[in-house]
Amino acid sequence: LAKTTQPISMDSYEGQEVNITCSHNNIATNDYITWYQQFPSQGPRFIIQGYKTKVTNEVASLFIPADRKSSTLSLPRVSLSDTAVYYCLVGLELGKLIFGQGTTLQVKP
Amino acid sequence: EAGVTQFPSHSVIEKGQTVTLRCDPISGHDNLYWYRRVMGKEIKFLLHFVKESKQDESGMPNNRFLAERTGGTYSTLKVQPAELEDSGVYFCASSQERLASENTQYFGPGTRLTVL
Repeated sequence: LAKTTQPISMDSYEGQEVNITCSHNNIATNDYITWYQQFPSQGPRFIIQGYKTKVTNEVASLFIPADRKSSTLSLPRVSLSDTAVYYCLVGLELGKLIFGQGTTLQVKP
Repeated sequence: EAGVTQFPSHSVIEKGQTVTLRCDPISGHDNLYWYRRVMGKEIKFLLHFVKESKQDESGMPNNRFLAERTGGTYSTLKVQPAELEDSGVYFCASSQERLASENTQYFGPGTRLTVL
């Protein structure tokens, strides 16, 4: 199972674009890249998933370079309510999700 | 559509007592998962049901933990007897299908278990 590496924490200000990069050097050919978001006292919430190039939805964009050894979650114009922990997950092992420490994003006014 | 629900939201028990956590998955989701986070650690997988069958229980810490999913609907996770190190937040998640490469799981709010 591919191991992921992402920054422990990031700070930003309201209205800024936030980019969180995740490294996954050992990603397998069939692996998808998935990001979850977790607010305090809540369970993780799926936000975006991709295989290659770029994926965009109403919440975020996911950029994946050709070699797929990294990915970048982009949050446009963050607000205070985007303060959360963001997890990058790669691949599946019999269906179970393997969570790392995630990146704690703190958005300041 | 209702999301994944868990009950209770918080439980405080004494060491040696028994606690049963309940999870109601999203209707129609055959896959049900249990995870937990103990203090300061990462979220860890406990087990996976497909309908009423245990597909993978490799994450269950020991035989004090018993999970069931009778009828393939809701699931219970019983801890008996509870120990101090069982304290943490227990999450339940469900998904509609389990492909090898992609799997969107929907999580409940979790049950915070405190063992004194």
